Amino acid sequence: KAGVTQTPRYLIKTRGQQVTLSCSPISGHRSVSWYQQTPGQGLQFLFEYFSETQRNKGNFPGRFSGRQFSNSRSEMNVSTLELGDSALYLCASSLPGVRNEQFFGPGTRLTVL
Amino acid sequence: GEDVEQSLFLSVREGDSSVINCTYTDSSSTYLYWYKQEPGAGLQLLTYIFSNMDMKQDQRLTVLLNKKDKHLSLRIADTQTGDSAIYFCAESLQTGANNLFFGTGTRLTVIP
Repeated sequence: KAGVTQTPRYLIKTRGQQVTLSCSPISGHRSVSWYQQTPGQGLQFLFEYFSETQRNKGNFPGRFSGRQFSNSRSEMNVSTLELGDSALYLCASSLPGVRNEQFFGPGTRLTVL
Repeated sequence: GEDVEQSLFLSVREGDSSVINCTYTDSSSTYLYWYKQEPGAGLQLLTYIFSNMDMKQDQRLTVLLNKKDKHLSLRIADTQTGDSAIYFCAESLQTGANNLFFGTGTRLTVIP
């Protein structure tokens, strides 16, 4: 079974631009969560989508948004990029259930210049 | 709160046991997890423990949970060079919820 895939793997943008990252979950997984990883703040939860609806949201500004499609693929968008948005963005997928076993993709490394 | 703390670095000799520690503040944790991250890669789920358990063993991995002290540990027996990575503990505060709170990560270096 193929794992979680994320595209692109690397991205360079300039301040003020916007960016869209994509995540394809493991087949059959309906929940997709997004995390931001930075050296200073560590791993922080952005949001979770389940059946095309946002189910949980972390403490990030409204510039960070996401969506999920009917095939469970998810995108996240960051508008008006700031230097501090440079990070590794990780997506994770999981089956519905109580154990929250999340399977992570390799991440998208975003650099904002 | 959701503070999850880990020591930053650990070095062990190949063949020895490694013990990685984690403390958390929120007593309402439901599940606690250990993830491994190798350079340039995402997170790999190693194991998890339900909050009403004290111990879980999975091959070379042993997880100990002291709920009273809010302390979680991961013991890796017979540590190998391939175990060199960053290890994260994480907690879930709500059954079925997928917003995990991660620790700061411990970089394990295995010396041949």
